[in-house]
Formats: sequence, structure tokens, C-alpha cells
Amino acid sequence: EAQVTQNPRYLITVTGKKLTVTCSQNMNHEYMSWYRQDPGLGLRQIYYSMNVEVTDKGDVPEGYKVSRKEKRNFPLILESPSPNQTSLYFCASSSPGGGAKTQYFGPGTRLLVL
Amino acid sequence: DAKTTQPTSMDCAEGRAANLPCNHSTISGNEYVYWYRQIHSQGPQYIIHGLKNNETNEMASLIITEDRKSSTLILPHATLRDTAVYYCIVRVYNTNAGKSTFGDGTTLTVKP
Repeated sequence: EAQVTQNPRYLITVTGKKLTVTCSQNMNHEYMSWYRQDPGLGLRQIYYSMNVEVTDKGDVPEGYKVSRKEKRNFPLILESPSPNQTSLYFCASSSPGGGAKTQYFGPGTRLLVL
Repeated sequence: DAKTTQPTSMDCAEGRAANLPCNHSTISGNEYVYWYRQIHSQGPQYIIHGLKNNETNEMASLIITEDRKSSTLILPHATLRDTAVYYCIVRVYNTNAGKSTFGDGTTLTVKP
């Protein structure tokens, strides 16, 4: 089944404790992206990747890192999480051809930073 | 990407057509209109996209005005499961641009 998976789905952590949220897609998509969504708001893009070893900042990259060593994986790293990073996070990948066109989203990761 | 404007919320009776408007008055000639929806807090789901002709698929129809400055997503027979937030986005199709912006969308509530 074609899908985007994220792990963990739920995470509670404390301020300053490094964490990684994994994202994997099995559709051979070149484009992948991370978004955060806060209550009552739309999605804001954190980082995106056009291909392996090619990443760039979205609208809200502060406090986050990403890497793209393999085509299928695009982990989101919070080196020193803070309470204002408490949010719902979505990973997405895009159909072949590149760019943020038709995006397929993962199920989301709820993060609470105490 | 061109900015879009959508109503904050709409109601629709179950079984009736839901018509969701989107204004994109600054759309460029090579920008497509995309619609996604998000049910509860699940990942957004792609619905449909179009350039200037009306489009229809198994989920919905997309009507784009002749001047392309606005569009309407039509759910022909809305069900309770169509209650969701609907996002209208405009983007250039043949591009390697990676930035993607979702606005706040329209919250559609389908009522029995």
C-alpha cells in the first residue's frame, strides 16, 4: 500500500531533550516536506527536500533540522525542544516530477514539550 | 504562490451539494488551483486540481471562472463524513519549487 508513515505518532518530552520524528514513504517520491499545525490554524511548512541531499527552509524552520540521506526517509530533528514547539506535525511527499504539487500526507505526530 | 481567500466556515445539509468558494484574484496564467481537505486532525488529503477547465473526479467537481480569479469546489451529495477543513491552494504545476503554503481553509460542517 502506498503510504507515508511517521513515528512516533504521539510524543511527550521535556525541554531540551533532543528528539527525532521519522518519516518514510514507499512511493519513490523525490519531494518530501514537513509541516506543523497549531490549533485552529492551517499548515505551516518547516523544511522541504527536493531530492537526496537537497533540503531547504520553509516558512518556520527555526529550532528544527532535517536530513535526506535516502530517498524514502526524511527525519525531523529537534535538537533542543521548547514548549513553543508543541504542535501537530505532518510529513508529506509529492508525486513524481518534483515540486510541491499533489502531496500525500502522513498521519501526523502529536508532540508535547513540557 | 498566489494568495487565496476562503470563508472561515460553512454549513451544509446532508445529501445536498456543498459549494465551497475560493478567491484567487492574483493567480498567474501558469498556476493551478488545488484543493485538499483535512478531517479532524488527520493528514490532509488531496481532492482535485485544475488550470482553467472544469474538472471532475470521484470525490468532487472543480469549477473555475473564466477569468480564473475564483473557483468553487462542489461536493455533489455531502455526507456527514465530508465534515472537514477544506484548503484551496494555487501553485505552478511544472515547477521544481518546493515551498508550499496552506491557508486556514474553510471548515465545512455537514448537518443531518
